[in-house]
Amino acid sequence: KNEVEQSPQNLTAQEGEFITINCSYSVGISALHWLQQHPGGGIVSLFMLSSGKKKHGRLIATINIQEKHSSLHITASHPRDSAVYICAVREIQGAQKLVFGQGTRLTINP
Amino acid sequence: DAMVIQNPRYQVTQFGKPVTLSCSQTLNHNVMYWYQQKSSQAPKLLFHYYDKDFNNEADTPDNFQSRRPNTSFCFLDIRSPGLGDAAMYLCATSQDYFQETQYFGPGTRLLVL
Repeated sequence: KNEVEQSPQNLTAQEGEFITINCSYSVGISALHWLQQHPGGGIVSLFMLSSGKKKHGRLIATINIQEKHSSLHITASHPRDSAVYICAVREIQGAQKLVFGQGTRLTINP
Repeated sequence: DAMVIQNPRYQVTQFGKPVTLSCSQTLNHNVMYWYQQKSSQAPKLLFHYYDKDFNNEADTPDNFQSRRPNTSFCFLDIRSPGLGDAAMYLCATSQDYFQETQYFGPGTRLLVL
């Protein structure tokens, strides 16, 4: 069983739809990261969370430490949001590295 | 302004011919990481440095080496690339290990012929 699991693996939606991507993890963590990777490879860090909720523009990330679960929401989705979204956690044990989920490939159609 | 720079962006090498990938950072961060990412897979950590303190993952092949001559630069050397080493190589930095955002470079895509 992967330590970090994301769902769905693939998501296709129409422009304007509200998007939710989920991440569940099985270990104690000190922080959770949401990353965005566009075709061509570059990774951008969207959020780092250790509790509660953060918002940047149309992006919202929440985390429930007790349930070991995080969600990334995109409001008013746009084709430029099409990318792979990756959840990664920094474990309390072995905190030097991130453990990555497999990613969610999001496609927003105009 | 670019904060984590990787050169080259695309590298083609021949089977068995050594290749070096380069990463530089303008953030003055203590930690630098090298990841390997194959198609449709999550990034896999190869090495990380805290300053000059080197750490490699247990499953990183001996074919991969790394150097960090100073705070700003870090190199990934692949001594004898095989076809299975074709991948995107990502460099990242963070100020520290704990609860710190990692800043990623654009990656170098390596093709082995």
